Amino acid sequence: AQTVTQSQPEMSVQEAETVTLSCTYDTSESDYYLFWYKQPPSRQMILVIRQEAYKQQNATENRFSVNFQKAAKSFSLKISDSQLGDAAMYFCAYRSRMEYGNKLVFGAGTILRVKS
Amino acid sequence: ETGVTQTPRHLVMGMTNKKSLKCEQHLGHNAMYWYKQSAKKPLELMFVYNFKEQTENNSVPSRFSPECPNSSHLFLHLHTLQPEDSALYLCASSLWVAGDQETQYFGPGTRLLVL
Repeated sequence: AQTVTQSQPEMSVQEAETVTLSCTYDTSESDYYLFWYKQPPSRQMILVIRQEAYKQQNATENRFSVNFQKAAKSFSLKISDSQLGDAAMYFCAYRSRMEYGNKLVFGAGTILRVKS
Repeated sequence: ETGVTQTPRHLVMGMTNKKSLKCEQHLGHNAMYWYKQSAKKPLELMFVYNFKEQTENNSVPSRFSPECPNSSHLFLHLHTLQPEDSALYLCASSLWVAGDQETQYFGPGTRLLVL
């Protein structure tokens, strides 16, 4: 079974600075997706960024980028120019691309605090 | 309404009550999901429906009963719950195309407290 580990329960960053959230996963499969979701306090969980395992290029979405290391099974999220609105719980998630694999496996989450 | 909506947003119920959670998606998706989010635990997948058919029941106790009357609506019927069932219940939906699933989009959740 696949597992996702987020080893940082909490992180803090100063506004306008850069922070990196860590995620590692365990799988025997070669074709899968990885995701970062953001859940602000009392608000909806939204997709931040998605990476296909077959793509070597790291995904980017504006200030958000990932460092995908397939051999190391590592998938970290970098947030540049942090803003107060980035404060949230961030979840790393894995999903197999196999036909029956429609289950998202989540990590425990990392709380990100942004200081002004 | 756009996206994925859930009602009620908050629910307090006694252990002998019967209640239902409702989820509606306005995204044209054909797969819907129930997740349980407890404090300090990863999100747990409970049920999956593809094209209104239940394709996954992740060993969920029978006091939780899902219903998917069509591809836009998903219910979670609750009866004789336990205090440990108190959690945030999240609904999600996605598009299932050609044997692959697109990204899941989440609703705001129902915060459930069982007394």
